[in-house]
Amino acid sequence: GENVEQHPSTLSVQEGDSAVIKCTYSDSASNYFPWYKQELGKGPQLIIDIRSNVGEKKDQRIAVTLNKTAKHFSLHITETQPEDSAVYFCAASTLDSSYKLIFGSGTRLLVRP
Amino acid sequence: KAGVTQTPRYLIKTRGQQVTLSCSPISGHRSVSWYQQTPGQGLQFLFEYFSETQRNKGNFPGRFSGRQFSNSRSEMNVSTLELGDSALYLCASSDGGNNEQFFGPGTRLTVL
Repeated sequence: GENVEQHPSTLSVQEGDSAVIKCTYSDSASNYFPWYKQELGKGPQLIIDIRSNVGEKKDQRIAVTLNKTAKHFSLHITETQPEDSAVYFCAASTLDSSYKLIFGSGTRLLVRP
Repeated sequence: KAGVTQTPRYLIKTRGQQVTLSCSPISGHRSVSWYQQTPGQGLQFLFEYFSETQRNKGNFPGRFSGRQFSNSRSEMNVSTLELGDSALYLCASSDGGNNEQFFGPGTRLTVL
């Protein structure tokens, strides 16, 4: 069945360092991969996404890479700041007739000042 | 534009009762999806509605149901509540063009 695995479950970095979160998906038909940031008491916030016809996408300090052959995609945050501390979720979807997202289990990122 | 709104934000019910949660999508968005978030199971897809039609349904029992109105507002209903239904219920809307989904703040349901 459809499955997305996410690692690590927790990540602690020093302010200014980089953070990398990795996900693997099982459904080869998946072609849309969003990343969400969830802060305490709030709903998930879309921070970046990538589609299967693109290998990498960057937005300021955040970048996402996709390896379709290996079914891997990763989130890279550079120059981390304390306000980056949150839970991050990867997800996968198929651009078909519905918008069902299959989520990873989440990564709790802590950026130490 | 206003974001996705969900009401109520918090709800306490007892086992056996039923509950209705409401979601108002971003203006102009016709797709509304519902997700259940729990510490043990994470974020799980419940169902998705587009122009008042259910397009997809997750693996949840029939006690979980939903509907969408002509103004795109959506409701989900859970009947015969169980302790395990305690969760954060999230609603997400999309304009139907590029799969981007935007989440509301959720409704925290506690079943006693």
